[in-house]
Amino acid sequence: AAGVIQSPRHLIKEKRETATLKCYPISRHDTVYWYQQGPGQDPQFLISFYEKMQSDKGSIPDRFSAQQFSDYHSELNMSSLELGDSALYFCASSFHKADPSYNEQFFGPGTRLTVL
Amino acid sequence: QKEVEQNSGPLSVPEGAIASLNCTYSDRGSQSFFWYRQYSGKSPELIMFIYSNGDKEDGRFTAQLNKASQYVSLLIRDSQPSDSATYLCAVNISTGRRALTFGSGTRLQVQP
Repeated sequence: AAGVIQSPRHLIKEKRETATLKCYPISRHDTVYWYQQGPGQDPQFLISFYEKMQSDKGSIPDRFSAQQFSDYHSELNMSSLELGDSALYFCASSFHKADPSYNEQFFGPGTRLTVL
Repeated sequence: QKEVEQNSGPLSVPEGAIASLNCTYSDRGSQSFFWYRQYSGKSPELIMFIYSNGDKEDGRFTAQLNKASQYVSLLIRDSQPSDSATYLCAVNISTGRRALTFGSGTRLQVQP
C-alpha cells in the first residue's frame, strides 16, 4: 500500500514569500499531523486535523495555517517566510481511534524548505 | 528538563551485538510510546509501539516499558550495519492528546 505522499519534496523560497505544502495520507487514514524538524533537532508538532477539523495545536506560528479537505489531504500554508523557517516539514497520518492512546502515526518523506 | 529524554550518543556496538536504547519521560500520565528510526535526511520510520508495561517483541526488536519508573527502552538483537541510524523515542505526553512529543534521539553506530 502506498505511504504518505508529500509535495513538493524540495522548495526554495525568498524571505517574506509564501509557501504551500501538501500531504496525502495513507488510504483510509483520516487524521493528519504536521511536524517541523530543524537541522539537528527532533520533530516538533505543529498542528493536526481529523474530519476537516483542527484536532490539536502545537507550536505553529501565527504566520502558518493549515486545513484538511474532504478527501483527507491537508495543506500547510506558510506566509511571510523567515530564515528560521528553513527545515524539514513532515506530515504523518493515522487512523482515528476512540482512545487517543492507540495512535500509530506514519510519516511521509517530508518537504525540505529552504528560505534564502 | 525535556519532557522526553534520550542519551544523544553515539552508541557504538559491534555487528551481531545487542544494542540497548533508553528513554525517560516526565509525564506520569503518558499512555503510549513509540520508537522511530530515522536515517540522515529521511523521515522517521515507525518500528515499534508499546502501550502496556512489560516487553513487546517484533523480530529483532524488543520494546520494554516500565511506567512506574517512567522509562521505555528498545533492544536491537543481532545488530547490523544497516541499523546505524538515529532512534527517536516518542510519547503521547498528555492524556487525550494525539500529538507526539519526541526525544532528541540516540545515534546508533553498528561497527562491521
